[in-house]
Amino acid sequence: SAVISQKPSRDICQRGTSLTIQCQVDSQVTMMFWYRQQPGQSLTLIATANQGSEATYESGFVIDKFPISRPNLTFSTLTVSNMSPEDSSIYLCSVAVTKNTEAFFGQGTRLTVV
Amino acid sequence: QKEVEQNSGPLSVPEGAIASLNCTYSDRVSQSFFWYRQYSGKSPELIMSIYSNGDKEDGRFTAQLNKASQYVSLLIRDSQPSDSATYLCAVLETGANNLFFGTGTRLTVIP
Repeated sequence: SAVISQKPSRDICQRGTSLTIQCQVDSQVTMMFWYRQQPGQSLTLIATANQGSEATYESGFVIDKFPISRPNLTFSTLTVSNMSPEDSSIYLCSVAVTKNTEAFFGQGTRLTVV
Repeated sequence: QKEVEQNSGPLSVPEGAIASLNCTYSDRVSQSFFWYRQYSGKSPELIMSIYSNGDKEDGRFTAQLNKASQYVSLLIRDSQPSDSATYLCAVLETGANNLFFGTGTRLTVIP
């Protein structure tokens, strides 16, 4: 499986600010995803990061709030914009080497908005 | 998002027993199914994948898939306290390549 480095591992941010989370993989992967996991809840898919084009967002998530970049096959960023306390959550990067195969997760970013 | 249902638990079993975790899904065209284990404060870890009907065994873990019934399960034999975690069922949406998760089942293995 690929080695996934996600940073920061945690942060405490002021409301109204933005935070960019980075996901770096040690090898090229076809698929990269961003998930959110709120306390005590399961994982919710935010979007699929597409190389060289706009991300594909799931219902309830929009580009203005969660802009995503994917400049190449090993790197992606997720920005949480104009944060509010409701954005406090764990954000997880996930990758799949090829389509329709298992996905692996980074260690996650624990975000607290105050 | 697709519906993936799991018994939320908590499920408690004594050490050495068999733990049985169940999952149903709503998308009839899904072809790939996964079980992840998540320890508290950690990210999910893949433990089993299954793609065709029947059983798949890996050590103490057995995944069972029945596509006609839209049902996938995970059996953990000889349960150990270190198996205490939340187990997440995940279903891959064919074509879109999106992975959707159930709510997870919290398992506690009692020494």
